[in-house]
Amino acid sequence: KAGVTQTPRYLIKTRGQQVTLSCSPISGHRSVSWYQQTPGQGLQFLFEYFSETQRNKGNFPGRFSGRQFSNSRSEMNVSTLELGDSALYLCASSLVPGDHTEAFFGQGTRLTVV
Amino acid sequence: KQEVTQIPAALSVPEGENLVLNCSFTDSAIYNLQWFRQDPGKGLTSLLLIQSSQREQTSGRLNASLDKSSGRSTLYIAASQPGDSATYLCAVTDTDKLIFGTGTRLQVFP
Repeated sequence: KAGVTQTPRYLIKTRGQQVTLSCSPISGHRSVSWYQQTPGQGLQFLFEYFSETQRNKGNFPGRFSGRQFSNSRSEMNVSTLELGDSALYLCASSLVPGDHTEAFFGQGTRLTVV
Repeated sequence: KQEVTQIPAALSVPEGENLVLNCSFTDSAIYNLQWFRQDPGKGLTSLLLIQSSQREQTSGRLNASLDKSSGRSTLYIAASQPGDSATYLCAVTDTDKLIFGTGTRLQVFP
């Protein structure tokens, strides 16, 4: 059974550009959540999607957005990149939202903004 | 607002020692608690999941306990090995998202 797949693994972007990250959850999992990990702030929740709908959003500016497709794959987009957006972006998948079940994480996408 | 704290922040021990990592949370209204392992620059690997109705879970050399009333969880690692070197994170499920602790960076030397 394939795990959570995130692409690309590494990205280097310039300030002001935009970026799109992709996450394919475990087969059968319908809930996808995104987290940002930085040395200063640790792991912080960005948003969660279920059945193509955003169910919950963390405390991030509107430059951070996402969507989920009918096959449960999810993308997140960051527009007008800032240096502070450099981070490891992690995606987690679980069977259902509310997460009474286990969350499984991908390997992450390392974004560097220069 | 739920806050999750892990002590110690870092730990360096010789191979073979039994270890206890601590996790505390401020709001006992959690659905479950998960322990994760993270290797440098990598994603998170789920180690143990404890539902709110459970007191402990075991997997191999790992044992995790949960005391909701006191807002504490401990991860016990028996007979530590160099391959256990990683950062260990606990996370509580708050309605529909995970709230992570600050992590314990563990180094086990031969």
